[in-house]
Amino acid sequence: QQQVKQSPQSLIVQKGGISIINCAYENTAFDYFPWYQQFPGKGPALLIAIRPDVSEKKEGRFTISFNKSAKQFSLHIMDSQPGDSATYFCAASKKGGSEKLVFGKGTKLTVNP
Amino acid sequence: DVKVTQSSRYLVKRTGEKVFLECVQDMDHENMFWYRQDPGLGLRLIYFSYDVKMKEKGDIPEGYSVSREKKERFSLILESASTNQTSMYLCASRGYNEQFFGPGTRLTVL
Repeated sequence: QQQVKQSPQSLIVQKGGISIINCAYENTAFDYFPWYQQFPGKGPALLIAIRPDVSEKKEGRFTISFNKSAKQFSLHIMDSQPGDSATYFCAASKKGGSEKLVFGKGTKLTVNP
Repeated sequence: DVKVTQSSRYLVKRTGEKVFLECVQDMDHENMFWYRQDPGLGLRLIYFSYDVKMKEKGDIPEGYSVSREKKERFSLILESASTNQTSMYLCASRGYNEQFFGPGTRLTVL
């Protein structure tokens, strides 16, 4: 019940295309769903996050879509750029800072020029 | 700008040495975490702390200990380093929702 399943493991997209990464969870008590972006040799950086009271959140070219009934959420990167090439992690947690984030295994995105 | 800093970016130690990895955050967060990251295994939680002098085991605590004497500082200790502890170590701190990571320490144990 604590798992977050992320797919695909790796993704290759052409410049200008749409990158889509999917995550699924089981625990209905999860209340907070962030996405992290990690470049090689760096720590993960918080990219965008959503709460279950909204179905979509957009920040620039990055959009989270959230489907509460299906217990799924996804990251869409519009107009993908080579600079977006990184590993992306989804995560989920219950409400409150003392709760642990449960992470997906990560998706390595490569955007070809 | 929020900041989590780690004492070293790269560290090389010998088997059996005692290793200290230090992490400092400037966000007045109560919750701090240590992870290790290995290819194909994602982020694995070693220990976390939700208050000064408090600690909880994560998923892989064996071979590690931690210390939190001050709110802003969380240390990870490898009592006797082994080659299978060669990894990227990431510290993080969390407020009510958002969690921020440090830049990581790449530890190599020879």
